[in-house]
Amino acid sequence: NAGVTQTPKFRVLKTGQSMTLLCAQDMNHEYMYWYRQDPGMGLRLIHYSVGEGTTAKGEVPDGYNVSRLKKQNFLLGLESAAPSQTSVYFCASRPENLPSYGYTFGSGTRLTVV
Amino acid sequence: AQSVTQPDIHITVSEGASLELRCNYSYGATPYLFWYVQSPGQGLQLLLKYFSGDTLVQGIKGFEAEFKRSQSSFNLRKPSVHWSDAAEYFCAVGSSGGSYIPTFGRGTSLIVHP
Repeated sequence: NAGVTQTPKFRVLKTGQSMTLLCAQDMNHEYMYWYRQDPGMGLRLIHYSVGEGTTAKGEVPDGYNVSRLKKQNFLLGLESAAPSQTSVYFCASRPENLPSYGYTFGSGTRLTVV
Repeated sequence: AQSVTQPDIHITVSEGASLELRCNYSYGATPYLFWYVQSPGQGLQLLLKYFSGDTLVQGIKGFEAEFKRSQSSFNLRKPSVHWSDAAEYFCAVGSSGGSYIPTFGRGTSLIVHP
């Protein structure tokens, strides 16, 4: 079972460059989420999607864009990377938007912006 | 608004000793509570969850947690820690209103001495 797959696993960007992080899930989950993890800060929600073609802002959306053109994929884009976006990015999904469901997480993308 | 506090940033235990990781939450109604574990370089994995019923919840890897409404706590326990339990542990609380997106604590790092 693949679950949630994130690509790439590591990336180094120069300030001002752009990139896209891909999240793919094969569980037919409706809901998908992008988080960033920084030391001592826990997980902070960037954007999320409640279904194909939908996106919504989370806690820290500035500097990021997302798209959910296909149900199984959720893309996170950085248009002009900044050093403050150095972080570990996690994608997660769950089948229903009910509080009793836990998340299935990907293994993360470690991004460094220099 | 819901919130989660994990008072301990680091916990050090000896292999074979018992473990208790603390989690306190703030939420008006009955919360949905989760514990996740993150091994080094990996994504988060759901250990256990509580949303109703028996207040003592059993999870994977020999972990359990007890919901205590009077103390607003959901502490994670394990009777005998193994070296492979060294990881970061996150408590999360989910609400029954709004977008149902859980709030994560900042995590507790578990160090296991041989």
